[in-house]
Amino acid sequence: AQSVSQHNHHVILSEAASLELGCNYSYGGTVNLFWYVQYPGQHLQLLLKYFSGDPLVKGIKGFEAEFIKSKFSFNLRKPSVQWSDTAEYFCAVGTGGFKTIFGAGTRLFVKA
Amino acid sequence: DTAVSQTPKYLVTQMGNDKSIKCEQNLGHDTMYWYKQDSKKFLKIMFSYNNKELIINETVPNRFSPKSPDKAHLNLHINSLELGDSAVYFCASSQSSLGETQYFGPGTRLLVL
Repeated sequence: AQSVSQHNHHVILSEAASLELGCNYSYGGTVNLFWYVQYPGQHLQLLLKYFSGDPLVKGIKGFEAEFIKSKFSFNLRKPSVQWSDTAEYFCAVGTGGFKTIFGAGTRLFVKA
Repeated sequence: DTAVSQTPKYLVTQMGNDKSIKCEQNLGHDTMYWYKQDSKKFLKIMFSYNNKELIINETVPNRFSPKSPDKAHLNLHINSLELGDSAVYFCASSQSSLGETQYFGPGTRLLVL
């Protein structure tokens, strides 16, 4: 069955620390890959996406993610986090079969 | 302009009641979704409609009945509410059903007492 796993459920960092959130998926075909962010009390919004082309994609607010096809991974990175990055981060995989599968989410807390 | 809107934003009700949540998108998208987000923030797909046709029904109890009067609207009716239905329900839409970017509504926080 198709699935998306996010390695960390909770991450606590100090401001200016570097961030890497892991995401792996299980699906053998062509995929669209997404990271969504949910700030406290708000709805999900797109952070970045990969459909094709350069496997290193840049999103809003200094986030980037790298698609490594051989590892079925799409890890999210940011070199220096800010307090305002405190949020829940969801990795998602669109398989083209009517369904986008979301990971369980990683809750990031950034200490000021 | 709100792209995906939901009403109501908050809903507090008693067990056994019937309630509806409405969703509208003004993006011209063909596909709409309902998700349930539980207290642990886990996001689970419930239904998906493409051009008013049901394409995903993820083993949701039949107390939940979606209705899509046109492709810009996808409403969710819940009969005989149970305590376990308490959650945040998100509506979303996408251009098509082919795994594209989804645009989410603000969510409806349902509390069943």
